[in-house]
Amino acid sequence: AQKVTQAQTEISVVEKEDVTLDCVYETRDTTYYLFWYKQPPSGELVFLIRRNSFDEQNEISGRYSWNFQKSTSSFNFTITASQVVDSAVYFCALSEPAGGSYIPTFGRGTSLIVHP
Amino acid sequence: DAGITQSPRHKVTETGTPVTLRCHQTENHRYMYWYRQDPGHGLRLIHYSYGVKDTDKGEVSDGYSVSRSKTEDFLLTLESATSSQTSVYFCAISDAGTGLQETQYFGPGTRLLVL
Repeated sequence: AQKVTQAQTEISVVEKEDVTLDCVYETRDTTYYLFWYKQPPSGELVFLIRRNSFDEQNEISGRYSWNFQKSTSSFNFTITASQVVDSAVYFCALSEPAGGSYIPTFGRGTSLIVHP
Repeated sequence: DAGITQSPRHKVTETGTPVTLRCHQTENHRYMYWYRQDPGHGLRLIHYSYGVKDTDKGEVSDGYSVSRSKTEDFLLTLESATSSQTSVYFCAISDAGTGLQETQYFGPGTRLLVL
């Protein structure tokens, strides 16, 4: 079973639409970290956000917002008023303690295509 | 941007040949990682290092070895390349020495084609 599930393989929207990327995780630890990364067509991986398991406050950064809900083990990412530049593959990741270190597990990614 | 470079950036090789990829960092971070990225699989951890000469296996370590003789360099070796190792390889670093997870920062990637 996957520890991080991004059920949406590909999402296609038209510019200015809002879009939510889902991330569901599985862990038995009480202390863990969640991340979102963006991989634009150029290929680099860009860090977007980190959230620890004790902080359930939602985060907003410009057009981006994240909804962390421990009750449903979800860490969803919403882009408001999407733009063509948002087209990318987005990865959710989970870090859990593993012998004293935190080793991340990545979801398989969601490809977002924003059409003009 | 974190100072991480990977070399080479692109490589074409033949089945059965050894290949070494290099990751170099200028951040003095303790942890270094090698991932491979394949369509439909996301990022999968190959090996990681938590210090000089300290390494451990990841999810997909078969066919790969690593070495870290200096803090700044982490080498990934394919002893005898196979077509299934055609992939994009990413190096990442983090400074998790305090026991708290720090963010991973990724290098630009290396595209490897094994013919």
